[in-house]
Amino acid sequence: QSALTQPRSVSGSPGQSVTISCTGTSSDAGDYRFVSWYQQRPGRAPELMIYEVTKRPSGVPDRFSGSKSGNTASLTISGVQAEDEADYYCCSLAGGYYVFGGGTELTVL
Amino acid sequence: DVQLVESGGGLVQPGGSLRLSCTASGFTFSGYWMTWVRQAPGKGLEWVACIKQDGSDKNYMDSMKGRFTISRDNAKSSLYLQMNGLRAEDTAVYYCGRFNNDILSGYSTAIDHWGQGTLVTVSS
Repeated sequence: QSALTQPRSVSGSPGQSVTISCTGTSSDAGDYRFVSWYQQRPGRAPELMIYEVTKRPSGVPDRFSGSKSGNTASLTISGVQAEDEADYYCCSLAGGYYVFGGGTELTVL
Repeated sequence: DVQLVESGGGLVQPGGSLRLSCTASGFTFSGYWMTWVRQAPGKGLEWVACIKQDGSDKNYMDSMKGRFTISRDNAKSSLYLQMNGLRAEDTAVYYCGRFNNDILSGYSTAIDHWGQGTLVTVSS
C-alpha cells in the first residue's frame, strides 16, 4: 500500500487552467475506476471534489474536472480562482484498500 | 445537515490505548459505509480503516492491522476506533468520514462528508 505519486506543488494565475496528476502502479491504485479527489484548506477537513474519476458532487463548481489515462489520474481546474488555493489529494480504491496520494499544494499567483 | 463529530483524542503514552468515537447525525447512519482517515502534523492524508453498513466487513491499512479495531453501533449512530499499542508515529488528527452512495453506479467509494477531526498525541 504505497502512496500514489502527486507533484508536491503546482501554481497558476487566476483564469489559467491547472492540472494535478496522480500516478500509481496497478497494485497500489487498482484499475483507477474509483479515483476521488479532495481539497483541503489550511486548518480544515478535506472536501470531496471528484469521485469515480470524473463525477462531480453537487455544489462543486464545474471548473473542477477529473480524467484518467493509463495509470495516471488527473484533476483539472479550468479558470483557477484565488479561493482554489489549497492542498489537493487523490485517492484510489484497490482491492478493498484505499490509498491516498502525497498531496499537491496549489498556489494561485 | 450531515454532521460527524469526533471525540476521544488526547495525549497518551507510547504503548497505551485510546478509543475514538464519532457521532453522526442528519442522515440514516446504518445505510452507509464509514471510515477513519488520519493526518500527521504537516503531512498528508492516510486511510486507516473502513466498515460496512452492518459491520460485517472491515478493512484496515496494513500497518494498523492487529493494533486498531473499527466498529460501529447503528442504534447510537456512532463509529468507533479502538487503538492499542500506540506509537509516536500514530500522532495525528483522526477524521471520521462517511462514504457516498452513488445512485447511478451503486458504488460507495468516496468520502463525501468529514468530521472536524480529533487530535491524538502519542508521547511520553
